[in-house]
Amino acid sequence: GQSLEQPSEVTAVEGAIVQINCTYQTSGFYGLSWYQQHDGGAPTFLSYNALDGLEETGRFSSFLSRSDSYGYLLLQELQMKDSASYFCAVPGGGNKLTFGTGTQLKVEL
Amino acid sequence: DVKVTQSSRYLVKRTGEKVFLECVQDMDHENMFWYRQDPGLGLRLIYFSYDVKMKEKGDIPEGYSVSREKKERFSLILESASTNQTSMYLCASSSQSDRGEETQYFGPGTRLLVL
Repeated sequence: GQSLEQPSEVTAVEGAIVQINCTYQTSGFYGLSWYQQHDGGAPTFLSYNALDGLEETGRFSSFLSRSDSYGYLLLQELQMKDSASYFCAVPGGGNKLTFGTGTQLKVEL
Repeated sequence: DVKVTQSSRYLVKRTGEKVFLECVQDMDHENMFWYRQDPGLGLRLIYFSYDVKMKEKGDIPEGYSVSREKKERFSLILESASTNQTSMYLCASSSQSDRGEETQYFGPGTRLLVL
């Protein structure tokens, strides 16, 4: 089976940097994805790491360490609009994803 | 832009009723998925389909069935709704990128209340 662990909640101030961690246990590993979901909205794809290291996309970066079964999402220059839930996910075979339980990020003034 | 639409944003049904949730995607994706989302539990996969008339059970298929008669449409059926099926239901479709990852595109969700 597969399982992913994330903190349930993180709070940070506007303009700061925040890191959301994800540890996973999988029978086979094909990559780690991140999705963002605003309250009342649909999850949207943010990033994907198949190899170790950092992937940067604007203010958001995602890191993967396959040897540690660990990844994180890094959000820089936080804005109020970044307040949302963030989910890590791993492929489960058959083109399906297994999602973590999500981290609710609250950005404060 | 990929568009995934769901037939209703909000639905109220009574215990024992048969409930149909419809999902349509316009990107010719092979794969489609149904999830339910509950506070603290994240997204849990109910069923998925990788082709017309093909279906696979996800992690929590009990009490649900699905239908995929056309490539663009994937229906979730609650044969006899129960109060523990009150939840947010999310449909998704997916494609594989050049890098090999499956990116899922989600519909806006249907919030179902079973009384």
